Amino acid sequence: QKEVEQNSGPLSVPEGAIASLNCTYSDRGSQSFFWYRQYSGKSPELIMSIYSNGDKEDGRFTAQLNKASQYVSLLIRDSQPSDSATYLCAVTSGYSTLTFGKGTMLLVSP
Amino acid sequence: ETGVTQTPRHLVMGMTNKKSLKCEQHLGHNAMYWYKQSAKKPLELMFVYSLEERVENNSVPSRFSPECPNSSHLFLHLHTLQPEDSALYLCASSQVLAGDYEQYFGPGTRLTVT
Repeated sequence: QKEVEQNSGPLSVPEGAIASLNCTYSDRGSQSFFWYRQYSGKSPELIMSIYSNGDKEDGRFTAQLNKASQYVSLLIRDSQPSDSATYLCAVTSGYSTLTFGKGTMLLVSP
Repeated sequence: ETGVTQTPRHLVMGMTNKKSLKCEQHLGHNAMYWYKQSAKKPLELMFVYSLEERVENNSVPSRFSPECPNSSHLFLHLHTLQPEDSALYLCASSQVLAGDYEQYFGPGTRLTVT
């Protein structure tokens, strides 16, 4: 069974710090990787996608992919209280489908 | 707003009721999805429609019945549900091209079965 593993947290960081969120996946055939942010009571919002090994930066967010290690991470620089949410990792797992992890809760304290 | 709308946003129904959830996407996508999100569990994919054909049905009980009349609309018909079906039901859409599987979610329907 294809799995995506994330530490459920909560991950607590002070405002202004770097938050590091990690994800491992079991399907070596996965080609596309995504990070979603989900605020409490809301639906998931796509914040990053990454398709090749290495780093991809978008503003304060950096996604990192290592297919050999089957590992994806998300770094959030200069963390803000508004970044407090659950972050979901998702990987492709078949024709047009994604498998999601359970998510990591991030708490950024002022 | 992501361009995916869902109605109703909240629904309370008894176990003998029949109701339908509606999803509409305004993004010009060609694939639509139903997910179930329960507390402490990952998002569970229920159904996938690509080019209006159902391509995946993840062993979902028959009390859930999807319908996709066109590429912009998706329904989930509910009947004789159980209390454990109470959850957030999310619709998503994507443009299924080679290597592009970014999915965009609607706001969800919070379903409570009494």
